[in-house]
Amino acid sequence: DAKTTQPPSMDCAEGRAANLPCNHSTISGNEYVYWYRQIHSQGPQYIIHGLKNNETNEMASLIITEDRKSSTLILPHATLRDTAVYYCIVRVANYGNKLVFGAGTILRVKS
Amino acid sequence: EPEVTQTPSHQVTQMGQEVILRCVPISNHLYFYWYRQILGQKVEFLVSFYNNEISEKSEIFDDQFSVERPDGSNFTLKIRSTKLEDSAMYFCASTGTDQPQHFGDGTRLSIL
Repeated sequence: DAKTTQPPSMDCAEGRAANLPCNHSTISGNEYVYWYRQIHSQGPQYIIHGLKNNETNEMASLIITEDRKSSTLILPHATLRDTAVYYCIVRVANYGNKLVFGAGTILRVKS
Repeated sequence: EPEVTQTPSHQVTQMGQEVILRCVPISNHLYFYWYRQILGQKVEFLVSFYNNEISEKSEIFDDQFSVERPDGSNFTLKIRSTKLEDSAMYFCASTGTDQPQHFGDGTRLSIL
């Protein structure tokens, strides 16, 4: 699985959009980008995933660059409850494969 | 929405004792996993399980660890002789066809 690079921490004002970047320059053609988050030692929570097209669901949007070497997770209106560690994970979308977690980005949403 | 449930939420055990952590995966899922997270560290993969056998395991998952799906609903992780360094949060996850992994809220294992 390709390696990902994320900033260690970010701050965001409540109500504003939170844009979390991820670099995955060695991504292969059959690898997806997954985003999970972990709120205060709870179990990781799935957010969204994509291959090459931008994706949106009720939680977030995922923007993947055309060359697929980087992506951005967007939380459109961050709330205090979005304070968490956000993990960007690249892997082949064989659903049997394990997830390899890095250190992630600590997002602090402030009022 | 279906959830992965784990019990107990907190387990305290004396060093050298056996411990069993329990998980009920989402009912139509086929792949099951255990991960652990030592306090302040990354989430680490332990083992994956499919079709009643281990499909992959990490170096952490040594002979002291075992997994079992004793019936159609439970998935368990056993540690035979616990060590202090086994203290961690243990997360169970499951997934079905063309779905992302869903995690339980974990069991905090404290070894004294």
